Amino acid sequence: ELKVEQNPLFLSMQEGKNYTIYCNYSTTSDRLYWYRQDPGKSLESLFVLLSNGAVKQEGRLMASLDTKARLSTLHITAAVHDLSATYFCAVDATGTYKYIFGTGTRLKVLA
Amino acid sequence: NAGVTQTPKFQVLKTGQSMTLQCAQDMNHNSMYWYRQDPGMGLRLIYYSASEGTTDKGEVPNGYNVSRLNKREFSLRLESAAPSQTSVYFCASSAGVLIGYEQFFGPGTRLTVL
Repeated sequence: ELKVEQNPLFLSMQEGKNYTIYCNYSTTSDRLYWYRQDPGKSLESLFVLLSNGAVKQEGRLMASLDTKARLSTLHITAAVHDLSATYFCAVDATGTYKYIFGTGTRLKVLA
Repeated sequence: NAGVTQTPKFQVLKTGQSMTLQCAQDMNHNSMYWYRQDPGMGLRLIYYSASEGTTDKGEVPNGYNVSRLNKREFSLRLESAAPSQTSVYFCASSAGVLIGYEQFFGPGTRLTVL
């Protein structure tokens, strides 16, 4: 059974600081997705990582994928309040049409 | 281009009532999905449709049925609602998982079962 675990589950950080969110998954997959969800809103796609060693960056967020370690990271650089949201990673098991989501990391950036 | 739309946005049901949640996408996507989101549980896949004419169970299918009406529309039916089905329901679509496309989500339906 494919399982996806994120840590930390909650993260409170000061503006200007750096931090990393981790996403581990339990089965073979070459594809990993990161989403953002604001309170009371839907999910918005941030990054699609399609191969081992893939790295994507958008503004203060950078995501990477290590398929051998079954690990993806979402690195936040010099956090700002606008980044406060819940971040989800999702994996689709190779050969299936199913996406399995992690439980999410609730990020709060304090001014 | 509306993306993924869902109706209704909010719904209150009494235990035992039935209802259908509607979802439509205008992106010509092949795959469509229904999730439920409960506090602290992330998103859990209820059913999915890899392509028009096919549907399959996800992680938590009990108490639900689905219909892929055509390529655009994918509905979720609760035949006899239970309080445990109180949740936020999201519909999503994707061009195709096997070639690594992200999902696009609808705005969600907040369902309360009394």
